[in-house]
Amino acid sequence: QKEVEQNSGPLSVPEGAIASLNCTYSDRGSQSFFWYRQYSGKSPELIMFIYSNGDKEDGRFTAQLNKASQYVSLLIRDSQPSDSATYLCAVSSNFGNEKLTFGTGTRLTIIP
Amino acid sequence: EPEVTQTPSHQVTQMGQEVILRCVPISNHLYFYWYRQILGQKVEFLVSFYNNEISEKSEIFDDQFSVERPDGSNFTLKIRSTKLEDSAMYFCASSDSLGVNPSQFFGPGTRLTVL
Repeated sequence: QKEVEQNSGPLSVPEGAIASLNCTYSDRGSQSFFWYRQYSGKSPELIMFIYSNGDKEDGRFTAQLNKASQYVSLLIRDSQPSDSATYLCAVSSNFGNEKLTFGTGTRLTIIP
Repeated sequence: EPEVTQTPSHQVTQMGQEVILRCVPISNHLYFYWYRQILGQKVEFLVSFYNNEISEKSEIFDDQFSVERPDGSNFTLKIRSTKLEDSAMYFCASSDSLGVNPSQFFGPGTRLTVL
């Protein structure tokens, strides 16, 4: 059974600080990794994807991947109240166009 | 910006009835998916579809479920005889062919309530 693990939170971060979200996965053959944001009652919204070891930056967001440790993280800089949501880590065994295995998500609250 | 659309937004049905959930994927996408999310639980894969056939399906996707692309734009999920445990949010997603961005883009979902 391929598993994706996330701390369910809630994670509370002051406005303007850096939020750090973590995810581990069990399938060493996983190739691509995605972060989605999900507001309550809404659908997952793509933030970014990564498939090479190291860091990938997109605006205030940085994804970090360490395949040896089977670990992927998301950093959110200059956190805003609108960043308050559940963040879902999703993993695919290919470089796209295959099923995503999701974690349970981490609920993030940004405190004004 | 192109987006995935789904109808209806909310469907209420009686146990044992058939339901059809509809999706219009992003127009130039070739891969289509259905996921579901039971309230308070994680998003679960149901089925993927490419070139007019199922690519992969999960254990959840049993004989009660079927998918179809009846025309050039719609993608449907049919549940033949709904059970109480089918109550969930159902999300359609689509992705491009293997290219720069392999990501799946999700529609707004259909909330299915089985009474």
